[in-house]
Amino acid sequence: QVQLVQSGTEVKKPGASVKISCKASGYSFTKYYIHWVRQAPGQGLEWMGIINAGLGSTNYSQKFQGRITLTRDTSTRTVYMELSSLRSEDTALYFCARKTYSDYWGQGTLVTVSS
Amino acid sequence: DIQLTQSPSFLSASVGDRVTITCRASQGISSYLAWYQQKPGRAPKLLVSAASTLQTGVPSRFSGSGSGTEFTLTINNLQPEDFASYYCQQVNSYPYTFGQGTKLEIQ
Repeated sequence: QVQLVQSGTEVKKPGASVKISCKASGYSFTKYYIHWVRQAPGQGLEWMGIINAGLGSTNYSQKFQGRITLTRDTSTRTVYMELSSLRSEDTALYFCARKTYSDYWGQGTLVTVSS
Repeated sequence: DIQLTQSPSFLSASVGDRVTITCRASQGISSYLAWYQQKPGRAPKLLVSAASTLQTGVPSRFSGSGSGTEFTLTINNLQPEDFASYYCQQVNSYPYTFGQGTKLEIQ
């Protein structure tokens, strides 16, 4: 069955970087896009960016441009999201999701940014 | 960026009711719209793609309609498990923006 399994909770200090993984299984990895979406506590969903898992091409929300990097490793079927220059406002639950219309989602990774 | 405005932001209803959530886009997006349901602490669940295509396994009491700039999600005969937050998302052009959400609460 299709699964997206994300790495665990992260606690970071302001100014640091975080790199979250999203490991895919149960489908042809290179066939689909992977999105990253985040949700701050008590807030709505925010789209961050997308990677074509086959080609490796990316598109980022302008809001995160310069701070976000999406990469993928086809040998391990894993997509990575790195966010740099973290600030307290980046405290959120981060999700990866498959396909343009996202039918499968990771379980979420909580990132807390605090001094 | 394309802005999506959902209304209402909060909705109070009872089991058995029919409710409608509206999503308006700041510019035309054809039918490139999805609807998601989210329960606290959980990942969103895709309900409707391409504005009106119900996903496999989603109860038929859910339906989506619209095109261009105005879209609706209708839930007939509300069930206890339907009380959740609902989001629209446009996938017409990057960035793939979400509406601000509608929280459906039990009256």
